[in-house]
Amino acid sequence: NAGVTQTPKFQVLKTGQSMTLQCAQDMNHNSMYWYRQDPGMGLRLIYYSASEGTTDKGEVPNGYNVSRLNKREFSLRLESAAPSQTSVYFCASSERAGGLRTDTQYFGPGTRLTVL
Amino acid sequence: LAKTTQPISMDSYEGQEVNITCSHNNIATNDYITWYQQFPSQGPRFIIQGYKTKVTNEVASLFIPADRKSSTLSLPRVSLSDTAVYYCPLGLTFGKGTHLIIQP
Repeated sequence: NAGVTQTPKFQVLKTGQSMTLQCAQDMNHNSMYWYRQDPGMGLRLIYYSASEGTTDKGEVPNGYNVSRLNKREFSLRLESAAPSQTSVYFCASSERAGGLRTDTQYFGPGTRLTVL
Repeated sequence: LAKTTQPISMDSYEGQEVNITCSHNNIATNDYITWYQQFPSQGPRFIIQGYKTKVTNEVASLFIPADRKSSTLSLPRVSLSDTAVYYCPLGLTFGKGTHLIIQP
C-alpha cells in the first residue's frame, strides 16, 4: 500500500495563477482532509470530506475549492493564487465516514507551494 | 472548534523519560484523544490513541485522568530520533504542537 500520495511535491506559482493539488489514498478510507501548515501556526484545516460526495469547510477555506472526485481522490484547487497561500499542504484520510472525532488520520508527504 | 493547549517546546536528554501534557478542557463525550508525531518535511504520523485511563503500545504510553480534560504522552528512554513536533488534536483542530528537542 502506498497510503496517501500527493502531487506535486513542490510548486512555484505567480500571483493570480491557478493550480490543483492532487491527493489519492489506497486504504479504502471514507473521509479525507486538506490542511495547510505555516511556520509557527501548526496544522489548520482547509476543507474535509466526511464521505464520498460530501465536502465541508474547515477553519481556513477562503481562496480554495475542493472536489471529492471518487472515494480515492480529493483535490484542492487554488483559483487565483496569492502570496498568503504560500504554505505546505497536507492531505489526510481516515477510515470511517463521519469518524471525524474518533478516527486516526493518515497523512501524505505534503506539497510545498510558493506563490510569488 | 475544540481547542487544546500544550507547551510550545521541551528539552530533554537521551535515555530520559519525557512526559508531554495536553489540556483539552472542552473535550466532547465522543472525542478520542490521539497523539501524532511530525518530523521536518514529513506529514504527521500516529503514535497512540485512547479514550480513558491508560493505553500503552510499543513506542509510548498515554495517561488520561477520569475527567478527560487533559492527557499525558509518555515517551520512555528517548533518543535523538525522537526530536520532533508532537500534536494532541481534538477532532480536526491540531494546534501548534510541542517541539521536543532531545540532546545527547
